[in-house]
Amino acid sequence: EVQLVESGGGLVQPGGSLRLSCAASGFTFSSYDMHWVRQVKGKGLEWVSVVGTALDAYYPDSVKGRFTVSRENAKNSLYLQMNSLTVDDTAVYYCVRVQGEWLRPKSGMDVWGRGTTVTVSS
Amino acid sequence: DIVMTQSPLSLPVTPGEPASISCRSSQSLLHSNGKNYLDWYLQKPGQSPQLLIYLGSNRASGVPDRFSGSGSGRDFTLKISRVEAEDVGDYYCMQGVQIPYTFGQGTKLEIK
Repeated sequence: EVQLVESGGGLVQPGGSLRLSCAASGFTFSSYDMHWVRQVKGKGLEWVSVVGTALDAYYPDSVKGRFTVSRENAKNSLYLQMNSLTVDDTAVYYCVRVQGEWLRPKSGMDVWGRGTTVTVSS
Repeated sequence: DIVMTQSPLSLPVTPGEPASISCRSSQSLLHSNGKNYLDWYLQKPGQSPQLLIYLGSNRASGVPDRFSGSGSGRDFTLKISRVEAEDVGDYYCMQGVQIPYTFGQGTKLEIK
């Protein structure tokens, strides 16, 4: 069964750091671009990062310089290091699989994890 | 960044009736390879989003054929031919032609 399981969420103070992990199973992890997408409770979806099969990584301006995405293909794992967190980073963070072509989604974001909740509060 | 605009934002529908959601982008989503990088997602209450349509008009695996996607360039539409109770949730369009990927605001479909 194809599966993505996120972990590492929790409560952190403003200015703090957190590292999210995503464990992948049931597919050839190294062949897919891997993304993080977040959702503030009751709000819409926001794309957070991508790490491609060539280990290239990209971010939106809202997290650039603070978040770092990485992957470890030998462990079928995706990570998101989040630094200098603010209350605006409070959200559910989803790990998402994409079969990419030049970092464009060839067939959509076809597998999503259940998400892990990050709460930034003093 | 490409701005995605959905309408309507709220969509009450009687079961068995059709429904339609529009998604417009601030720039063309048609790549020089001929593909429109526009996807549709449904987030049912309490669940993670799920892929419905990719590349504008291709149904994802397991998606009922009452769902269809159309459009090209900047204008796209998701249609449900006959709404069922299980179709309740938030529908999002997303562009992947350019980083950063961006989503529409979401359309909440509810049953009358």
